[in-house]
Amino acid sequence: DAGVIQSPRHEVTEMGQEVTLRCKPISGHDYLFWYRQTMMRGLELLIYFNNNVPIDDSGMPEDRFSAKMPNASFSTLKIQPSEPRDSAVYFCASSSLATGGNEQFFGPGTRLTVL
Amino acid sequence: RKEVEQDPGPFNVPEGATVAFNCTYSNSASQSFFWYRQDCRKEPKLLMSVYSSGNEDGRFTAQLNRASQYISLLIRDSKLSDSATYLCVVNNAGRRALTFGSGTRLQVQP
Repeated sequence: DAGVIQSPRHEVTEMGQEVTLRCKPISGHDYLFWYRQTMMRGLELLIYFNNNVPIDDSGMPEDRFSAKMPNASFSTLKIQPSEPRDSAVYFCASSSLATGGNEQFFGPGTRLTVL
Repeated sequence: RKEVEQDPGPFNVPEGATVAFNCTYSNSASQSFFWYRQDCRKEPKLLMSVYSSGNEDGRFTAQLNRASQYISLLIRDSKLSDSATYLCVVNNAGRRALTFGSGTRLQVQP
């Protein structure tokens, strides 16, 4: 069974451009999480969804960040406009309440560089 | 103060050594505890859950002290393949999201 799928794996863009990161959770999982990892701040939760509904977006840094989950198999994280300080690895993870919900399965991440 | 604190290391140990990592958490309402492992430039993966009674998985032993809000991970007979960053993770009541420590880096030397 495929794990969490993220695209693109690498993204290099210029300051001011719009960036869209994509995630496909594991089929049947009802929770989806977006994290950001940097050397300075470690792994931080940005937002999470339950059954496609955003539950907690308190980690979203500012209005430039937005996330959507139009259906159970797809989510996007958008940054508009991007800034150099957004450079990080962005991970998507999913979990299933049916199996206890404690283990989160992470995708391979998107390494974002904003010049 | 960070919600989950870990010594960043690195811990450099020879093969076969025993090494222990510690972690403290600040939220007394935390209910679930885990150790995740993250290899260089890879995603985090669950290593093991941590229970109040302590639990063991092969060479790995995890312990939880709720009174001191302290979690530990012991690795016996270290292997080169154990080289990675170990993330201490807590889950607070009523919230599905995990809070990660910054990680402790382990380098096992031949």
